[in-house]
Order: sequence, then structure tokens, then C-alpha cells
Amino acid sequence: QVQLQESGPGLVKPSETLSLTCTVSDGSISRYYWTWIRQPPGKGLEWIGYVYYSGTTNYNPSLKSRVTISINTSKNQFSLRLTSVTAADTAVYYCARLNNGGDYVDYWGQGTLVSVSA
Amino acid sequence: QSALTQPASVSGSPGQSITISCIGTSSDVGSYDLVSWYQQHPGKAPELVVFEVNKRPSGVSNRFSGSKSGNTASLTISGLQATDEADYFCCSYGGSRTYVVFGGGTTLTVL
Repeated sequence: QVQLQESGPGLVKPSETLSLTCTVSDGSISRYYWTWIRQPPGKGLEWIGYVYYSGTTNYNPSLKSRVTISINTSKNQFSLRLTSVTAADTAVYYCARLNNGGDYVDYWGQGTLVSVSA
Repeated sequence: QSALTQPASVSGSPGQSITISCIGTSSDVGSYDLVSWYQQHPGKAPELVVFEVNKRPSGVSNRFSGSKSGNTASLTISGLQATDEADYFCCSYGGSRTYVVFGGGTTLTVL
């Protein structure tokens, strides 16, 4: 059973950079697509982007200018950086695994709340 | 505003069936048989209940079924149970540029 665990600061100041890391438990990081999805409080899900184990990335066009997703297969981790954050970036951030075809999420992390506030 | 349109809420009594619609466009739902549905209980991460329009992951009850017609996908839950009360989100592949789009979510209340 794959387990994913997000880690990182729960509070980020406006205009600063949000950084989160996801640790994958079972070593499957070298075979799949890995993605970040966020959910503002009381709202729906928003796809942020993915990284393939090879390092190939794809981002939501609405966030592309501010997002970087990277992967470190030796540490079984992948990471999210979101620059120039505002209150609108306050959300629960989920790391997740996409299936082999990359079209649905088969495993989710528990999620971590990141608040943007001075 | 979400890319896919779902009703904000639906309700049903135990034992009944309900259907949640998910309206997309010819660029996403209408073009690909790559619609998935997720169930989310309060304070929990979403869980996959249907993938690729009408397939169920191992361990998901056969009371959950998916379908698609044109630009609209649907999730039907039959034999409603109290544990089905949750938020449900649809998701579709949207092509190489948009990639993944979600619906705004539907709250299911079991009366």
C-alpha cells in the first residue's frame, strides 16, 4: 500500500514562497506521475501540476508562472514551490500519485493546510 | 469557477438511488473517456470511486457506477447508505494543455 506524506510550513507570509515536500513510502516513485492538488477551505479541488519520475513536468496554466514541481527519486520525494503567494493560495495541499496512464489519482496524501497571512 | 459543472447538492433516502451530473465541454469530457469520480468525507482526503468513466477500483462497492453521454458524465449511487453522505467531485482529462480539470463538487445528503 502506497503512503504519501506532505511536510512543510503551515503558515507563509504574503509575497513569499510556499514550499512543500511529499515523501512516498514504497519506492514506487520511479515509475509513476506525481501530482499536487489543492483545496481552498470549503471549496473544490484544483490541480496544480505533475512531475513524472523522469523529471518531465506539466502545470495548470493558471498557476504555471508561479509553480515548480521537482522530484528526487533517491529520497523518494517530490516537491512543490509556489512563489509570490497571496491569501487566495490558502488551501489544503494534497500530494498524490497518478495511475500509469496519468489520468486519475489512485493514492492521496492526507493533505496539509497552508495559510497565507502576515 | 470550476471547469466542470456539478450540482451543489443532491439528497436521497436510504435505499434509494441518486445521480450526480458533471457537465464539461467537447474539449474535456466529450473528447476523452477519462472521467474519474472522488468521494470526500469531511476532513479527509478524497478517495477514488470511479475511473475511466465506468470502472471501479478494487474494494469500491458495485453500488457506485459511472456513465457518460456527450459532454456530460454521471455518477449513480444505488441503495443509498448513511456512509455515502459525503462530497463528490468529478474530474476529466482535458488535453495536453489543460491536462486535468475538476468539478466544483456535489454534497450528497442521505436523509
